[in-house]
Amino acid sequence: EVQLVESGGVVVQPGGSLRLSCAASGFTFDDYAMHWVRQAPGKGLEWVSLISWDGGSTYYADSVKGRFTISRDNSKNSLYLQMNSLRAEDTALYYCAKDMGPGAERGVYYFDYWGQGTLVTVSS
Amino acid sequence: DIQMTQSPSSVSASVGDRVTITCRASQGISSWLAWYQQKPGKAPKLLIYAASSLQSGVPSRFSGSGSGTDFTLTISSLQPEDFATYYCQQANSFPPAFGGGTKVEIK
Repeated sequence: EVQLVESGGVVVQPGGSLRLSCAASGFTFDDYAMHWVRQAPGKGLEWVSLISWDGGSTYYADSVKGRFTISRDNSKNSLYLQMNSLRAEDTALYYCAKDMGPGAERGVYYFDYWGQGTLVTVSS
Repeated sequence: DIQMTQSPSSVSASVGDRVTITCRASQGISSWLAWYQQKPGKAPKLLIYAASSLQSGVPSRFSGSGSGTDFTLTISSLQPEDFATYYCQQANSFPPAFGGGTKVEIK
């Protein structure tokens, strides 16, 4: 059974930093690109970032480029999101999501499994 | 970037009704489209990918159609567990983008 379990969400002040983690199990982690997708309270879904299966390529939404860094440790079946210079508009539930396409360097952009999310609140 | 527009933003329907949700892309995306269902307090669930391919385990009352810029999600006979918010998402080009969502409510 595929499982994705996020952690690390807390209340942080504007300008602060935070690192989210996602522990994966139930599939061959290093076969798949992985994503972070967020959802502000009461709002829709926003794609945030993508990392290739080997961690060699990373991609970001314009809204987070230069502030967030995605990474992965395939030996630990784990995905990370380092979030710096946080803003109020970054307040959201952050989901990690598995890409559907095995071996595709940038994935196929279909998200077939999602974690339960971890809440990041940016507030003073 | 490609923009995705869903309509309606909400729909009220009864159990047994046929429900259709529309999604329009700002430019052609061939069949690179997915539909997700999200229930309150839960993560989104993939229902359909490649515009019309049913994800494993998804009931056959869900179907998708369309290509290019116009797509539809149809629920042939609405069940109590189908009351949720539905999102379309384009997978044709970077960055992937979601529609604003359609909430299916009980009439």
